[in-house]
Amino acid sequence: ETGVTQSPTHLIKTRGQQVTLRCSSQSGHNTVSWYQQALGQGPQFIFQYYREEENGRGNFPPRFSGLQFPNYSSELNVNALELDDSALYLCASRGPHTSGNTIYFGEGSWLTVV
Amino acid sequence: ELKVEQNPLFLSMQEGKNYTIYCNYSTTSDRLYWYRQDPGKSLESLFVLLSNGAVKQEGRLMASLDTKARLSTLHITAAVHDLSATYFCALTMDSNYQLIWGAGTKLIIKP
Repeated sequence: ETGVTQSPTHLIKTRGQQVTLRCSSQSGHNTVSWYQQALGQGPQFIFQYYREEENGRGNFPPRFSGLQFPNYSSELNVNALELDDSALYLCASRGPHTSGNTIYFGEGSWLTVV
Repeated sequence: ELKVEQNPLFLSMQEGKNYTIYCNYSTTSDRLYWYRQDPGKSLESLFVLLSNGAVKQEGRLMASLDTKARLSTLHITAAVHDLSATYFCALTMDSNYQLIWGAGTKLIIKP
């Protein structure tokens, strides 16, 4: 049990649509990151939030955006979906430095774009 | 730019054998992580290694870190079928918790 929950677990969208994926972290986990994992590949860093501010971004276009809320939940929004956006989207969180360095992952949201 | 290389990318082995997965990285890193991923599942944290010479063990898995060689190893002792999975190493740098990932090692252990 990682204490990181994601929803929905699976969804199918049509090319051009928009999607919102959600993540809920443990209380006190101020840092949340989102990753995209295509089938058969390693995860790719999308962006990271710390105390509701984006403080790191990977090589993803602006149509990938996010939010982090004071209640340790966060969202990943993807606009104008493309077929290549089909992947497993993973949310990861970690607590304060004093709580250790483990980064915990949620179960992921499987997105299929048709 | 931090780059991470894992090898082998695929490993098929018999139960009871020992083997090692290697993770090389290109620049100084703060922390090195090992994760396990079962098919269709998320990532399970195995180890976090922080300093040169760090060694951690859990059951049949042992991870070590040599920061001078920029190398981490994940050693499997007397493999059992339940250890079949894909294993990833990942690193962070500059106190930023962005994980840079290796390509993963798909491990199949045959009874």
